[in-house]
Amino acid sequence: GENVEQHPSTLSVQEGDSAVIKCTYSDSASNYFPWYKQELGKRPQLIIDIRSNVGEKKDQRIAVTLNKTAKHFSLHITETQPEDSAVYFCAASNPPGGSYIPTFGRGTSLIVHP
Amino acid sequence: GAVVSQHPSWVICKSGTSVKIECRSLDFQATTMFWYRQFPKQSLMLMATSNEGSKATYEQGVEKDKFLINHASLTLSTLTVTSAHPEDSSFYICSARVGALPETQYFGPGTRLLVL
Repeated sequence: GENVEQHPSTLSVQEGDSAVIKCTYSDSASNYFPWYKQELGKRPQLIIDIRSNVGEKKDQRIAVTLNKTAKHFSLHITETQPEDSAVYFCAASNPPGGSYIPTFGRGTSLIVHP
Repeated sequence: GAVVSQHPSWVICKSGTSVKIECRSLDFQATTMFWYRQFPKQSLMLMATSNEGSKATYEQGVEKDKFLINHASLTLSTLTVTSAHPEDSSFYICSARVGALPETQYFGPGTRLLVL
């Protein structure tokens, strides 16, 4: 089955700095890679996603890059703000039979200091 | 976006009792619902996948007789933790999906279970 590794487990930055979270996956058949943000005690929320036919996707201060050959993908947050503080999860999924069941990374706790 | 609710949001129970958690898709019909378990500062671990009207598919290592899942309608799935023990204490999160598109998977707010 799919195995997703995520690094770092904790990331501390100053407000205004950039933050980068990296994930690797094992199953070359995976073709959908979402990123979720989870604030303490709340539900995970999809913030950005990318499919394997695209190398990069950007949405305002958030971007995701994908390297299919190396089987890794990264989340980039620019101009970080205190409200970006949360746990971020990457995931990888593929459609065996169309199921698209994601495998999650272990999460990165991002702390943005004012 | 689509809304998924869970009830209760938190529950404290004595060891040996059973606890039922409801997951509802409020403004859409969910063809598939997922149940996850999350320990503090850890990832979301998929417990089972359920499709309306059929038996749930459990992940390896998840006891189906302990974690009973019923997906009775396109808007409701329930997870019953039978004979709960302290080690079952965790954050349980459901998610619901429309069709097969992964972008349409929406998470519920979670249920925090504490077994004394």
